[in-house]
Amino acid sequence: DSGVTQTPKHLITATGQRVTLRCSPRSGDLSVYWYQQSLDQGLQFLIQYYNGEERAKGNILERFSAQQFPDLHSELNLSSLELGDSALYFCASSAERGRASDEQFFGPGTRLTVL
Amino acid sequence: SQQGEEDPQALSIQEGENATMNCSYKTSINNLQWYRQNSGRGLVHLILIRSNEREKHSGRLRVTLDTSKKSSSLLITASRAADTASYFCATDAAPEDSNYQLIWGAGTKLIIKP
Repeated sequence: DSGVTQTPKHLITATGQRVTLRCSPRSGDLSVYWYQQSLDQGLQFLIQYYNGEERAKGNILERFSAQQFPDLHSELNLSSLELGDSALYFCASSAERGRASDEQFFGPGTRLTVL
Repeated sequence: SQQGEEDPQALSIQEGENATMNCSYKTSINNLQWYRQNSGRGLVHLILIRSNEREKHSGRLRVTLDTSKKSSSLLITASRAADTASYFCATDAAPEDSNYQLIWGAGTKLIIKP
């Protein structure tokens, strides 16, 4: 158990809908990262927050947005969903400076299925 | 674009044999990390090697880094069924001060046959 929690575990929805994925980092970790992993694919970095502020942006679509709250939990909002958005969405957190050299601790993921 | 590329994409060996996976990258790095992912689950950090290190050990894992060839290898000795997983390398890009993002390879799927 990494100490990172994600809810829900599974989400099934229809095209055009909007969903919110939630992540709670390990106690004390200031950085939260969001990743997308399509079937049998590598990880696509979406976005990183550090202590409430956006720090780095990857291949995140304009239909997606995220935020980190004062209690350090984070939410990833996916809107106008398309079939191609079906994937595993992982959240990770890190303790140190929120830099790429930090070890990242991953949550169990949310499996999103768009029908 | 992906910085790290793992090779091979898939590897199937007998239990007890050694498994070697390779990772190549394109730009100068500060650090390279290896992670393991069991099917459909979150990734687990295995080891980090810095650009000024050539080799690092952790239990049955041995990682090497050749910055002149921009490549790294992960060796798992005396493999076990529980080692069946996908293995990913992840790199940052120098200079560190302005770098927050890890670049991930597509992974090597390792299957250990009993």
